[in-house]
Amino acid sequence: NAGVTQTPKFRVLKTGQSMTLLCAQDMNHEYMYWYRQDPGMGLRLIHYSVGEGTTAKGEVPDGYNVSRLKKQNFLLGLESAAPSQTSVYFCASKELNQETQYFGPGTRLLVL
Amino acid sequence: AQSVAQPEDQVNVAEGNPLTVKCTYSVSGNPYLFWYVQYPNRGLQFLLKYITGDNLVKGSYGFEAEFNKSQTSFHLKKPSALVSDSALYFCAVKYGGSQGNLIFGKGTKLSVKP
Repeated sequence: NAGVTQTPKFRVLKTGQSMTLLCAQDMNHEYMYWYRQDPGMGLRLIHYSVGEGTTAKGEVPDGYNVSRLKKQNFLLGLESAAPSQTSVYFCASKELNQETQYFGPGTRLLVL
Repeated sequence: AQSVAQPEDQVNVAEGNPLTVKCTYSVSGNPYLFWYVQYPNRGLQFLLKYITGDNLVKGSYGFEAEFNKSQTSFHLKKPSALVSDSALYFCAVKYGGSQGNLIFGKGTKLSVKP
């Protein structure tokens, strides 16, 4: 039981490049989330999903897209990366009627 | 609007002394409150939560938190700090109904010295 895993662990992009971050969970959780963590700002919700095939915007969705084609996977895409998207990205998941979110180890992204 | 405040960027304590990490919140309705801990280069780990019931909540690694409705606070405490408790601590409050979205505070760095 690996819990929540994220791929890749670290990535460097040039401005304008695109990439996809993968989150996978093996706990059969309904809800999945993407956050970004920036110094002094805590975690901010980018997008979330309440089930397979559904997604919704969080607090800071601009510049990102997501997809939840399979229940266990939640993808975060950057179509045209900007330096302001340099951050650490965390994925989380939780069960339908539970309150606790379980977090992945994070992806560190540097946009030059 | 929902919000969470952690007024201290850093808390320094000596090993063996009690520690408190402060959190205040603003939320409409009954609050669902959480504490998470983040060790260096790791994801967040759940420590404890308050949903309803006893105002003193016990969690992992000997931590506890006290819910105070009149002061809208949910301070994290531990009677005797360990060096291994040194980490970044986040308070969070739930909003958005059954979807369970969280708003996180900015985090408080706890440093425990031997």
